[in-house]
Amino acid sequence: GQQVMQIPQYQHVQEGEDFTTYCNSSTTLSNIQWYKQRPGGHPVFLIQLVKSGEVKKQKRLTFQFGEAKKNSSLHITATQTTDVGTYFCSHSGNTGKLIFGQGTTLQVKP
Amino acid sequence: SAVISQKPSRDICQRGTSLTIQCQVDSQVTMMFWYRQQPGQSLTLIATANQGSEATYESGFVIDKFPISRPNLTFSTLTVSNMSPEDSSIYLCSVEEETVQYFGAGTRLSVL
Repeated sequence: GQQVMQIPQYQHVQEGEDFTTYCNSSTTLSNIQWYKQRPGGHPVFLIQLVKSGEVKKQKRLTFQFGEAKKNSSLHITATQTTDVGTYFCSHSGNTGKLIFGQGTTLQVKP
Repeated sequence: SAVISQKPSRDICQRGTSLTIQCQVDSQVTMMFWYRQQPGQSLTLIATANQGSEATYESGFVIDKFPISRPNLTFSTLTVSNMSPEDSSIYLCSVEEETVQYFGAGTRLSVL
């Protein structure tokens, strides 16, 4: 179907280490969006990717959309404690409604 | 981006009662969305609220349990009716701007 699988579910890293979460689909996606939800907070939009092979950067965050538009990744370089939270990928399904992945929860040890 | 005010931010309710959650947007929007996020889970769309028409519910959600109002282009309410402990969740409203969704702060509901 249009579900997206997100891995890993949880990740614990030492502050300063890198972190990557992956979002995979069995079908071609029209777009991919990434959201961050801090503990006790609400999802906040980070980025949207629409082009095959697209790469976008926001400071220490690098977002990629696969060539086949079936997968995406979010990479954080040199994690900080402020990066703690759950990162969700999502995409607009056939009906235009947003479909969310299961999320990857990142814990950063200071 | 749109600014969304949602209230209450949290509540503790007794089984069998109902709670109405309000969502106010600082601009006029065609569609507003209501999501549920159960503890430790992802977001699940409950329904889409369109101004001037009945809300569109997703599979597994029914109007009797989650009645929605959309009286104008900046406001919507979601009622969680006849609550049970299984309704304990975060309820979020959102609006869409250019395919991106912006969320309210959420309502954290605990049902005893």
